[in-house]
Amino acid sequence: ELKVEQNPLFLSMQEGKNYTIYCNYSTTSDRLYWYRQDPGKSLESLFVLLSNGAVKQEGRLMASLDTKARLSTLHITAAVHDLSATYFCAVDMDSNYQLIWGAGTKLIIKP
Amino acid sequence: DVKVTQSSRYLVKRTGEKVFLECVQDMDHENMFWYRQDPGLGLRLIYFSYDVKMKEKGDIPEGYSVSREKKERFSLILESASTNQTSMYLCASRAPSQGGETQYFGPGTRLLVL
Repeated sequence: ELKVEQNPLFLSMQEGKNYTIYCNYSTTSDRLYWYRQDPGKSLESLFVLLSNGAVKQEGRLMASLDTKARLSTLHITAAVHDLSATYFCAVDMDSNYQLIWGAGTKLIIKP
Repeated sequence: DVKVTQSSRYLVKRTGEKVFLECVQDMDHENMFWYRQDPGLGLRLIYFSYDVKMKEKGDIPEGYSVSREKKERFSLILESASTNQTSMYLCASRAPSQGGETQYFGPGTRLLVL
């Protein structure tokens, strides 16, 4: 069964701290996506990672992809309250139109 | 700028009613998707369409049907709404996946079935 697992599912942290969200997947894929969802809102695309070793950064968020380990990470540097949201990773299926979704990581950043 | 719109942000319906949720995208995307999102269950794919008049079942198609008569519009139909279909419904569209295109989401429809 194809699976995408995120870890942790819930994270509460203080402003100014660093932390990493992990996304493991069970299928061969070199395309991985990160999305953000604010409470009560829809999903917004954050990063598209298209090859082994890909790294993308925007502001305090940095995403990377290791296709050999089937692992992507979303690193938060010096967290601020505005980054509080739920973060999803999703993996492309090579032979399908679908994305396989992780369960999401709910991130709460306390002032 | 990419835009996916959904016909309603909030809907309240009675059990047994037929419910139509519409989604329109302006990006000329071939692929469109309907998800439902429930607390603790993440996103679950109901149906998707890869072209006009083409559709495929997702993970939870029971109780739903879809229609895609035009490329820009993808409708989700609840033939006879039930209380367990109370949920947040999200529509998304996407260009063909070979280029690693992301999915673009609409604002969502919160459906309450009484």
